[in-house]
This record gives sequence, C-alpha cells and structure tokens, in this order.
Amino acid sequence: DVKVTQSSRYLVKRTGEKVFLECVQDMDHENMFWYRQDPGLGLRLIYFSYDVKMKEKGDIPEGYSVSREKKERFSLILESASTNQTSMYLCASFPHSGAGYNEQFFGPGTRLTVL
Amino acid sequence: DAKTTQPPSMDCAEGRAANLPCNHSTISGNEYVYWYRQIHSQGPQYIIHGLKNNETNEMASLIITEDRKSSTLILPHATLRDTAVYYCIVRVVDSGNTPLVFGKGTRLSVIA
Repeated sequence: DVKVTQSSRYLVKRTGEKVFLECVQDMDHENMFWYRQDPGLGLRLIYFSYDVKMKEKGDIPEGYSVSREKKERFSLILESASTNQTSMYLCASFPHSGAGYNEQFFGPGTRLTVL
Repeated sequence: DAKTTQPPSMDCAEGRAANLPCNHSTISGNEYVYWYRQIHSQGPQYIIHGLKNNETNEMASLIITEDRKSSTLILPHATLRDTAVYYCIVRVVDSGNTPLVFGKGTRLSVIA
C-alpha cells in the first residue's frame, strides 16, 4: 500500500527555535511537496522537489527552507520559528510518470503550534 | 494553471446523490480536471480526474460539459463519511512535476 508518513502528528515549539518536519515516502516517487493549511486560506504550496537535491519555491517559501538528500525523504525546516508559522503542514508525493502519476499522495499532516 | 470556482458549502441528505459543481471557464486544452477531498484531520485524498469525457470509478462520477468550462462531481449515494471539503483542480498533465494548486473547495455536509 502507498504510504507517505510524517514524523509527528502534533508538535509544539517556542518562538526562535529551529524546527524540522520530516516526510518519508515508500513509493520511489520523484516529486515531493510541502503545503501548509490554514482556516479560510486552504492549502498553499511552500516548496517542492522533483528530484534528489533539487528544490523549487512554491507560493509562500518565506521563512522556510527544505532538504532532499535522499529520494524518499523531504524535510521542511523553519530556521527560526515564529507564531505566524503555527499551522497544519502536509507533505505529498507523486511519480514523474507511470502508475500513480495522476494521483498525489498525502501524508496525515503535522499540526505545529509555535508559542 | 486555470483557476476554479466552487460554492463554499453544500448540504446533502444521507443516501441521496451529492452533486458538487465547479467552474473552470479559462481551462486550457491540455489541462485535466481533478477532484480531491479532505476529511477532517486527514490529508487530501484523490477521487477522480478527466479531460473531456465523463469518468466513473468506485468513488464517484465526473461529468464535464462539452465546452469543458465546468464540471460536476457526483457521489451517487452520499454517506455520513463523505462529509469533507471537496477540491476541484485543473492541472497540466504533460509535464512531469506540476504541483497541484488547491483553492478553498466546497465543504460538503452529509446529514442523517
């Protein structure tokens, strides 16, 4: 069964802390994505990666960075967390081609609270 | 990607068909229509997609108008577990890594 996992379902951090959100997929997908979801704003794309060590900015990259050292793992980094980064973070993946290309698979999400 | 317009919310009685509309009047010839849904506290889940022909799978049917400017997702016999936010998305498929761009979707409430 297809699987995208995220390191934590719930996370509480303090302002100024460095925060790592990890996402792992077991489907050998080339493309991986990080979204955040806020009430009234829907899902917004932060960063995506279409291959190892490749990254592209999405619509709201400010305050975030990413790392893709291995194909299966895509990390979202908050260098210095701020209260306006309190949100639900969702990771997703899909392949370049072949079976599953039309379907983007999502993880369960990490609800991050920054105090 | 073309933008889509969906009603913010809809209600449907349990056991009845739920018909969720979507307008995509600026859709291009190489853009597909996708539908996803997000149940509370879960990540979005793929439902169905299509280009110009009507499509059906075990979850739903997708009806696309002949001019492709709008579509309707049909859940034939809605259950309480179909209560979710439904997203209509248009996306170019011939590129290998185009991300999905989500709008605000339609919040469907299925009522017993």
